[in-house]
Amino acid sequence: DIVVTQSPLSLPVTPGESASISCRSSQSLLHSNGYTYLDWYLQKPGQSPQLLIYMGSNRASGVPDRFSGSGSGTDFTLTINRVEAEDVGVYYCMQSLQSRSFGGGTKVEIK
Amino acid sequence: QVQLQESGPGLVKPSETLSLTCTVSGDSINGHYWGWIRLPPGKGLEWIGYIHYTGQTNYNPSLKSRVTFSVDTSKDQFSLELTSVTAADTAVYYCARVSRLLNLLNIPNYYYHAMDVWGQGTTVTVSS
Repeated sequence: DIVVTQSPLSLPVTPGESASISCRSSQSLLHSNGYTYLDWYLQKPGQSPQLLIYMGSNRASGVPDRFSGSGSGTDFTLTINRVEAEDVGVYYCMQSLQSRSFGGGTKVEIK
Repeated sequence: QVQLQESGPGLVKPSETLSLTCTVSGDSINGHYWGWIRLPPGKGLEWIGYIHYTGQTNYNPSLKSRVTFSVDTSKDQFSLELTSVTAADTAVYYCARVSRLLNLLNIPNYYYHAMDVWGQGTTVTVSS
């Protein structure tokens, strides 16, 4: 089974600044087809999760361009540029290479 | 606008079966995969599995022995049954559409999928 680990657990951020969340997998998420099977989701307070990034770096429809995903193999990063108050919530990465499994989540809050 | 709505009992007794249904509106259940995910209190998201409209399923190995999905294309609904529940199954249960987001390698019917539409979630408590 592929284990996905996120850090940090909690991330206080200042509006206008940048924030980064790390996601690591126990195995490479690079498929033999050349694509990376890693997605990012955000669950805002009181809401259902929403898709932010798919295939490691592709923004989902309607996602602001201040969100970006990067990385390869087993190490991935979600970066939020110019953080806004509405970006608070719990961020999850999820691998879909073998079955599916989520990271433990990173809670982003405003300082 | 695609909407998903979970429904089912909010309270289930230990050792009994948890049954939930997800009703799809604004889209047809045909042509898609549909997933179930849960959020236990104080924990992170857990993927339960998905079902194709044809009935093909893929379950979380840790739950596979207790979970069964089904689909009713005539009603645009899909369902989850989880047997022998314990307090550890207490969670908010979400259904989601698993959409084809990107065609891969220009190969017909070869897509990258992700969960792009979610229901609002329903809370299920396991308690006597």
